[in-house]
Amino acid sequence: DQQVKQNSPSLSVQEGRISILNCDYTNSMFDYFLWYKKYPAEGPTFLISISSIKDKNEDGRFTVFLNKSAKHLSLHIVPSQPGDSAVYFCAANSGYALNFGKGTSLLVTP
Amino acid sequence: KAGVTQTPRYLIKTRGQQVTLSCSPISGHRSVSWYQQTPGQGLQFLFEYFSETQRNKGNFPGRFSGRQFSNSRSEMNVSTLELGDSALYLCASSLVGQLRTEAFFGQGTRLTVV
Repeated sequence: DQQVKQNSPSLSVQEGRISILNCDYTNSMFDYFLWYKKYPAEGPTFLISISSIKDKNEDGRFTVFLNKSAKHLSLHIVPSQPGDSAVYFCAANSGYALNFGKGTSLLVTP
Repeated sequence: KAGVTQTPRYLIKTRGQQVTLSCSPISGHRSVSWYQQTPGQGLQFLFEYFSETQRNKGNFPGRFSGRQFSNSRSEMNVSTLELGDSALYLCASSLVGQLRTEAFFGQGTRLTVV
């Protein structure tokens, strides 16, 4: 049973524009959310996180928004760069494990 | 500061064999978790160890087991390998367990079962 869902398997964005990656979750007990970036044949790299007591967290070009009532979070990348092309995973912390979505493959074109 | 190190990077095994994978966490990190990544299922939690004790286990059969040593290094073992065990196995370490802190991943071990 997938408790964290990323409904868009892929996304293509032009360089310089905003990339918005979405994530939905079903378990209202989740209280900490993370985004990871992954290149092929490498492990996921931590990007940014947000606690459920906040609705926004920003780190450079990356901003994560959390809407608890809708059980939805999104990752905004502004401006997008070709080096951002990778698979992005949303994860929710259930206290002892990370529950991952299936990922969204982002392609940033020049 | 060295990152999470997993060995070997690649492994080919035959059905029915067993395999042991190794993970060295970041220095000072006491929690080690293991995940399986497959194209169909994504990243799935296997188990988590803290101070040599398995604290949590995901929904995997008993063929999957692990342990953690006093230096926090961890191994996972899969016995009686099946074709469906072919996957990227990822190890993650964190300071005190995945409680509102990020976990840092190794590069993974790509296991192919033939």
